[in-house]
Amino acid sequence: GAVVSQHPSWVICKSGTSVKIECRSLDFQATTMFWYRQFPKQSLMLMATSNEGSKATYEQGVEKDKFLINHASLTLSTLTVTSAHPEDSSFYICSVPLSRLEAFFGQGTRLTVV
Amino acid sequence: GESVGLHLPTLSVQEGDNSIINCAYSNSASDYFIWYKQESGKGPQFIIDIRSNMDKRQGQRVTVLLNKTVKHLSLQIAATQPGDSAVYFCAEANYDKVIFGPGTSLSVIP
Repeated sequence: GAVVSQHPSWVICKSGTSVKIECRSLDFQATTMFWYRQFPKQSLMLMATSNEGSKATYEQGVEKDKFLINHASLTLSTLTVTSAHPEDSSFYICSVPLSRLEAFFGQGTRLTVV
Repeated sequence: GESVGLHLPTLSVQEGDNSIINCAYSNSASDYFIWYKQESGKGPQFIIDIRSNMDKRQGQRVTVLLNKTVKHLSLQIAATQPGDSAVYFCAEANYDKVIFGPGTSLSVIP
């Protein structure tokens, strides 16, 4: 089956710097990928839909200029957290939908901003 | 907006007992639901799903029940094992998007 790989699995960065997180679909070409954010002891919240070859679609309340999404190929989507602050510290997870009814999730990236 | 939610944030179960995790949803138009298991530091893992035209579906040691009248889902885990300790989410699939409920933390007592 499809495998979704995220990199890095964890990252620590200083406030004000930018961090890029990669999401790769290893076995499946994905025109769409999804990015989620999860704070401790909370649920996964959908941030945006990454669309290959076009602009990402952001959920209400998510700053598109802060969370830059690039989906340059059918197997790679990147999420860049720009000018990171401690409140951006979270667990970021991507998913690749195989169909309307089936999706595979990456293993997540733990971001800590100090 | 409409959302999927859970009643119980934490659940402790003795090893070998059955576990029941509940979930309420508010979007009556939802037609597909999924249960996920998430272990610490990992992404969600698919457990079982159910379509709205069904009221029960069974897998290996797990059963999902759907009551559309009261918009309620439940996940039953038989003979709960220590490896079942995790956070469980019900979710609604909506045109490729998966929208998650708040989650229940299941702790299995050896």
